[in-house]
Amino acid sequence: KAGVTQTPRYLIKTRGQQVTLSCSPISGHRSVSWYQQTPGQGLQFLFEYFSETQRNKGNFPGRFSGRQFSNSRSEMNVSTLELGDSALYLCASSLDPYSYNEQFFGPGTRLTVL
Amino acid sequence: GQNIDQPTEMTATEGAIVQINCTYQTSGFNGLFWYQQHAGEAPTFLSYNVLDGLEEKGRFSSFLSRSKGYSYLLLKELQMKDSASYLCAVMDSNYQLIWGAGTKLIIKP
Repeated sequence: KAGVTQTPRYLIKTRGQQVTLSCSPISGHRSVSWYQQTPGQGLQFLFEYFSETQRNKGNFPGRFSGRQFSNSRSEMNVSTLELGDSALYLCASSLDPYSYNEQFFGPGTRLTVL
Repeated sequence: GQNIDQPTEMTATEGAIVQINCTYQTSGFNGLFWYQQHAGEAPTFLSYNVLDGLEEKGRFSSFLSRSKGYSYLLLKELQMKDSASYLCAVMDSNYQLIWGAGTKLIIKP
């Protein structure tokens, strides 16, 4: 069974640009969560999608948005990039958000904003 | 607010035992997870506790006390490959995972 895939793996952008990151969950998984991770910080929760609906959202500005498609693939978008957006963006999938279901993480997209 | 506390960094010796603590204050509780993250890699699942007590899985064990809002991860017979960050996460009443900042474990020969 293929794992969670994220594209691209690395990205360099400049301030003010926008970026779209993609996540393909494990086959059969319908829940996708997005996290931001910076050095010394834990996982900062961005949002979670289940069955094409945003179920939870973290404390990030409106520049961060996402969506989920009918095949459970998910994208996140960051507009008007800032230097502080440089981070590793991790996507995780699970069967569903409820009860015990471990999250499986993708390798991440490392975004550098210059 | 919701809060997960774990030590920032710990050092242990190869072959020894180490205990990584995690305390939490969350809106409700639907289970506690431990994940391992090697440098430059994605986190991988280690354990899940929802009832009080100890769950043993090989060299790793995880303990939970819901009344105390406390968990620990116990690593025995430490190996160099155990050098990693260990993340504690609690699932709250809304089934949202709240993550701690992680504990960086350094293993010395």
